[in-house]
Amino acid sequence: DGGITQSPKYLFRKEGQNVTLSCEQNLNHDAMYWYRQDPGQGLRLIYYSQIVNDFQKGDIAEGYSVSREKKESFPLTVTSAQKNPTAFYLCASSLAPNYGYTFGSGTRLTVV
Amino acid sequence: QQQVKQSPQSLIVQKGGISIINCAYENTAFDYFPWYQQFPGKGPALLIAIRPDVSEKKEGRFTISFNKSAKQFSLHIMDSQPGDSATYFCAAPFYFGTGTSLTVIP
Repeated sequence: DGGITQSPKYLFRKEGQNVTLSCEQNLNHDAMYWYRQDPGQGLRLIYYSQIVNDFQKGDIAEGYSVSREKKESFPLTVTSAQKNPTAFYLCASSLAPNYGYTFGSGTRLTVV
Repeated sequence: QQQVKQSPQSLIVQKGGISIINCAYENTAFDYFPWYQQFPGKGPALLIAIRPDVSEKKEGRFTISFNKSAKQFSLHIMDSQPGDSATYFCAAPFYFGTGTSLTVIP
């Protein structure tokens, strides 16, 4: 079955550490996205990519980095510069930004 | 500036009733307006979507009404069921509303 796989489901990070969240899709979608979800704030765009080796910052990119070396993969690194990283992170893909998104099941990151 | 504004924040409906969630958008260049349904601990799932060349789209118990001149669109859930209890998000390309928590009481 086609879909998006995010891993791990839960992640714990110590202060000052970088962590990388994995996102893989087998839907042959060109566009991929990372969103952060906090209670009462909906989904906020961190980064998106519409083609391999190209990506754009979203509204809350500070403290995050991404890469898009393969069409299927769009990993997100949460760096120590992100001041409040505890959140639910969602990866999505679509044919293009003006088509429906398919979401992964999310990664819940907690800073301890 | 919030690109997509959603209301209400929460909604309680009796089983069999109609649930209505509203959304307003800013950018007239937006050309795709989806609604997503999210259950706790899961990623959102596409429920229904509309493009601005039509004023209404219906899929089963779910209907989107679209008003281009007012820059508003809404989701109507007919014959609401307890299984519809979830959080609903309206969206436009890249942007999401803040969500509506729907509870359907048996």
